[in-house]
Amino acid sequence: DAMVIQNPRYQVTQFGKPVTLSCSQTLNHNVMYWYQQKSSQAPKLLFHYYDKDFNNEADTPDNFQSRRPNTSFCFLDIRSPGLGDAAMYLCATSTTAGTGPDTQYFGPGTRLTVL
Amino acid sequence: GQNIDQPTEMTATEGAIVQINCTYQTSGFNGLFWYQQHAGEAPTFLSYNVLDGLEEKGRFSSFLSRSKGYSYLLLKELQMKDSASYLCAVRDSNYQLIWGAGTKLIIKP
Repeated sequence: DAMVIQNPRYQVTQFGKPVTLSCSQTLNHNVMYWYQQKSSQAPKLLFHYYDKDFNNEADTPDNFQSRRPNTSFCFLDIRSPGLGDAAMYLCATSTTAGTGPDTQYFGPGTRLTVL
Repeated sequence: GQNIDQPTEMTATEGAIVQINCTYQTSGFNGLFWYQQHAGEAPTFLSYNVLDGLEEKGRFSSFLSRSKGYSYLLLKELQMKDSASYLCAVRDSNYQLIWGAGTKLIIKP
C-alpha cells in the first residue's frame, strides 16, 4: 500500500543532543511537509519542499533544519533540542502545492521526548 | 491575522448526530479540509469543500458557506470509534493550510 512512513515512532533525546527524524513516502508526491504539533494544539508548519525547493516558515527556529536527498525521503534535524521542542512531529505529502484538492496525507508521526 | 475557530470540546451519545462548526478568517480561500485525529495518531483526511454546499460521504457530511466564512462537519449514527479530535483547515491565497486547534469529540454510550 502506498503510504507515508516515519521513523522512529518514539524518540527520546537529552537536552541539547542533536536528533534526526526521518520520513519516507511511496506515494511519489512532489511536496513534503514537516509539522510540529503539541497537545491539543493545531499542527504548526515548520517547512515544506516543493520538489527540491525548500520553503522555510518565517517563525521556524534556526534550531530546526531539513534535508530532502530525493523524492522519497525527507529528514528533520533538531540541532540542540530544548524542553520546549518536545512534541509530535508529523510528516505529510501532497501531489502539488495547491491546485485542486491536493490533499495532504500524513505519516503516523514521531513523538519526541526531551529529558 | 488569519484565524480558524472551532469549539474545544463536544460530547455526544452513541447513535446520535453531532455537528462540529468551524469559522474562518483567512487571506483568500482555496478550499477547506476536515481531518480526524485519534489521540497520539496522525490526522487522516475526511473531506474537502471548495464550493458552497454540502458534501456527503457515508456517515460524514461537510458543509461550506464561503460568504459566511463557515463550515460544519456532520457525523451521523455516532460510534464509539468516532471519539477523536476533528480539525478544520483552510487553504489561503498562498496555498498554505491554516489549521484550527481541533474539536475533541467525546462519545458516550
